[in-house]
Amino acid sequence: EAGVAQSPRYKIIEKRQSVAFWCNPISGHATLYWYQQILGQGPKLLIQFQNNGVVDDSQLPKDRFSAERLKGVDSTLKIQPAKLEDSAVYLCASSLGVGRGDEQFFGPGTRLTVL
Amino acid sequence: AQSVSQHNHHVILSEAASLELGCNYSYGGTVNLFWYVQYPGQHLQLLLKYFSGDPLVKGIKGFEAEFIKSKFSFNLRKPSVQWSDTAEYFCAVELGPDSWGKLQFGAGTQVVVTP
Repeated sequence: EAGVAQSPRYKIIEKRQSVAFWCNPISGHATLYWYQQILGQGPKLLIQFQNNGVVDDSQLPKDRFSAERLKGVDSTLKIQPAKLEDSAVYLCASSLGVGRGDEQFFGPGTRLTVL
Repeated sequence: AQSVSQHNHHVILSEAASLELGCNYSYGGTVNLFWYVQYPGQHLQLLLKYFSGDPLVKGIKGFEAEFIKSKFSFNLRKPSVQWSDTAEYFCAVELGPDSWGKLQFGAGTQVVVTP
C-alpha cells in the first residue's frame, strides 16, 4: 500500500515570498490533515479535511495560510506571504475517517526554510 | 495551555538498558492516547495507542505503555533497548469525543541508544 506522498521535500524561500505544498493521501482515506512542526516542538494541527470539506481550521493563520482539497483527494497548503517564523516541517497525514480508532498515517513532510 | 507534556527532551542510554518515557496530559474527560516514533530520516509512525480497556497496552517492537488515569499519565516503556531504537518519540492525545482526529502532540523526546 502506497503511503502519504508530499512534495517538495525541501523548500527555501525569502520572507514575503509565496510557497505551496502538495499532499496525496492514501487511497480511500477520507480525512486529511496538515500539521506544522517547528524545530524542537511536536506537530501542531493546522487544518483537518473530511472529503473536500473543512472540519477544523481553528489553528490555521488565515491571514497568510490557505488550504484546499479539491475533489476530496489531493490537497495543497499555501503560505502567502511567508514570515521567518513559518520555518518548519509541514506534515500531511490521512486516515480512513475520524472515528475513534482511525489511525493517522503521516507523510515524509516538507521542510520549509524562510530566509 | 499545554495539554500534553513529556518529561525529558533528551535521553541517552546504552543497549540493553531499560527505557521509560513520561507523558502527562491535562484533561478530565475521555481521552485517546498515542505514542508515535520518528526514526532518523523516516516519517512519523504509530507505536501504540490506548482507547479503553486494559490500561497496559502493547505496541510494535517490544514497546508497551501504561495508562494511569489517576495520574493523567501514559508512560512508554521498553525493558531492553537496541541501537535501532534511536529515534524521537512523541506522546499525543485526543481530548474528548469532539476532538477525535485532532491529535495534540507533546514536544518529543530524542532517544539515543549507544552500542
